[in-house]
Amino acid sequence: QVQLQESGPRLVKPSQTLSLTCTVSGGSLNSGANYWSWIRQPAGQGLEWIGRIETGGSANYNPSLQSRVTMSVDMSKNQFSLKVTSVSATDTAVYYCVRETWPLLDSWGQGILVTVSS
Amino acid sequence: EIVLTQSPATLSVSPGERATLSCRASQSISNNLAWYQQRPGQAPRLLIFGASNRATGIPARFSGSGSGTEFTLTISSLESEDFAVYYCKQYGNWPPYTFGQGTKLEIK
Repeated sequence: QVQLQESGPRLVKPSQTLSLTCTVSGGSLNSGANYWSWIRQPAGQGLEWIGRIETGGSANYNPSLQSRVTMSVDMSKNQFSLKVTSVSATDTAVYYCVRETWPLLDSWGQGILVTVSS
Repeated sequence: EIVLTQSPATLSVSPGERATLSCRASQSISNNLAWYQQRPGQAPRLLIFGASNRATGIPARFSGSGSGTEFTLTISSLESEDFAVYYCKQYGNWPPYTFGQGTKLEIK
């Protein structure tokens, strides 16, 4: 059974870049017709889809975040990553990495709380 | 962007009773709707896809219905572990995938 684990800095200063990595275990990034996604959830609020990437490198982003978001994959490490530039307090949230077996978000990481604060 | 509106925001139901949660889409999404359950401190879990299909391992007391713009998640006989927040999510018109704001199911 595939497992996902988020890692990265938990505190980021305003205007800087948020960088997170998701390590996939129990399966290959390249197995099946899967996509690899990021979802975030501000404290006490709902879920926001950030975007997804396939192992070939093609990505789809939420238009509301597209200008600040980049996703990438590292097949050699079985990891995929998220970068969000020019962060502000509104980017403070729990960030989840998720496997999508289109169109279903069927395996989730435990989530990592990232706080944007000086 | 498709907006999903869930109602009610909070639903108070006793264990053993039935719970009915609603999700309305701002435009037709056919049956391209999923439901997720999120227990406190946990990641969401897929319950229903294609509006009415249970995901692997989901108990039969969970059922989904609807198409177009109106959808319903029904839990036939509530058990203690069912008290959680439920989100609907559409994939009929994307990007982006969008979620409803959630319905909190609490013990009455």
